This record gives sequence, C-alpha cells and structure tokens, in this order.
Amino acid sequence: DAGVIQSPRHEVTEMGQEVTLRCKPISGHDYLFWYRQTMMRGLELLIYFNNNVPIDDSGMPEDRFSAKMPNASFSTLKIQPSEPRDSAVYFCASSSGTGSEKLFFGSGTQLSVL
Amino acid sequence: SQQGEEDPQALSIQEGENATMNCSYKTSINNLQWYRQNSGRGLVHLILIRSNEREKHSGRLRVTLDTSKKSSSLLITASRAADTASYFCATLLSGYSTLTFGKGTMLLVSP
Repeated sequence: DAGVIQSPRHEVTEMGQEVTLRCKPISGHDYLFWYRQTMMRGLELLIYFNNNVPIDDSGMPEDRFSAKMPNASFSTLKIQPSEPRDSAVYFCASSSGTGSEKLFFGSGTQLSVL
Repeated sequence: SQQGEEDPQALSIQEGENATMNCSYKTSINNLQWYRQNSGRGLVHLILIRSNEREKHSGRLRVTLDTSKKSSSLLITASRAADTASYFCATLLSGYSTLTFGKGTMLLVSP
C-alpha cells in the first residue's frame, strides 16, 4: 500500500486566493482526519470523517475552511479566501478506527500564504 | 489547551545513549500513543498503550504508563543518529473519540 497520499507537498499563494488540499486515504480505512500543525499551537484536529460523512468539524477555525469527502478514496480541504495566518503544515491521516486505533499520516502540505 | 505535555521540549544525546521522554496529562484516558515525526515528514505511529496496561515494548522502544500519576514515558535504548526526530504523545481522553496531541520533544542524536 502506498500509504496516505497528499497533494500538493508545497503550496505558496497570495492572500485572498483559494487553496485546495487533497488527500487519498489508505484503502479500507473508514476514518479520515485533517490536522493542522504550527509551532505555536502544535497539531490540531480540524475535522474528521467516518464512511465519507463529516462527524466533527468543531476544529475548523472559520467559515473560510471547508472539507469534503465525495468518496472513500478522496478528500479535499479548501480555504477561501486564504489569509497569512493560515500558513501551516496540513496533514491528512486515515485509520480503521478513531482514537482507539493508530493513525496513518500523509507527508503533509506546507502552505504559505503571502 | 493541549492535553498531553511532553518533557523535555528538546533533548540532545550521543549515539549509544538512552533517551527518555515524558508525557503528562490532566484527565483520565482510554489509551496513550507515541508518534515520531522526522523533519518535513508526517507522523509515524510507534506504540499504543491502553489505560489498563503498565508497560509495552517494541524493539528498542519501551513505554510505561502510570495512570495514578497521569504520566507516560518513552525510552529509546542504544540510540542512533536515525532516531533524530520529534516525538509526540497523543491521548484518547475518556468519553472522547479522537486523539489530542502534545507539542512534542525534539530529540537530536549526534554520531
């Protein structure tokens, strides 16, 4: 298995632009998580899905953030419009369970909003 | 605020030495997990220890859990330069369904 695949690896954009991050989870995993990592706040859970359905989006910072999972093999995290404070590393992770199981992380997307 | 807090924030040792990292948390947990993150990469799962377990081993890794003190430790024996990474503890709080991560310990192992 190729593991969790994220794209792009790096994204540089200007304030106000739309940003779309993509994730392909490990086949057979029912849970997909989006995390954001910054030096100040560490690793924060933004949203997670179970069987393609959003379960908890309480970590999504603002309405500018949205996430979708149209099928079991693909998810997107969109920021519109982007702001400099959104600069961070965004990780996607998948699992066969929630906190009772281990998470498999992708390599992340380094987002820089200028 | 972060549930799990790692200590120390940074640790520098020589190859062959043991490295010990600690994690403290504030409320009861169902399990605690340790992850490693190499620079520029995603997190990799190392060990999961459940609340009714006291110790687990995996290769050169040893994890202990003391629920009375609300703390866990990760011991890496005979460290190697390749062990250089950040190490995170993640807790599954009782009554919750997702993990909460600490801010990590940066380990530097010098040849």
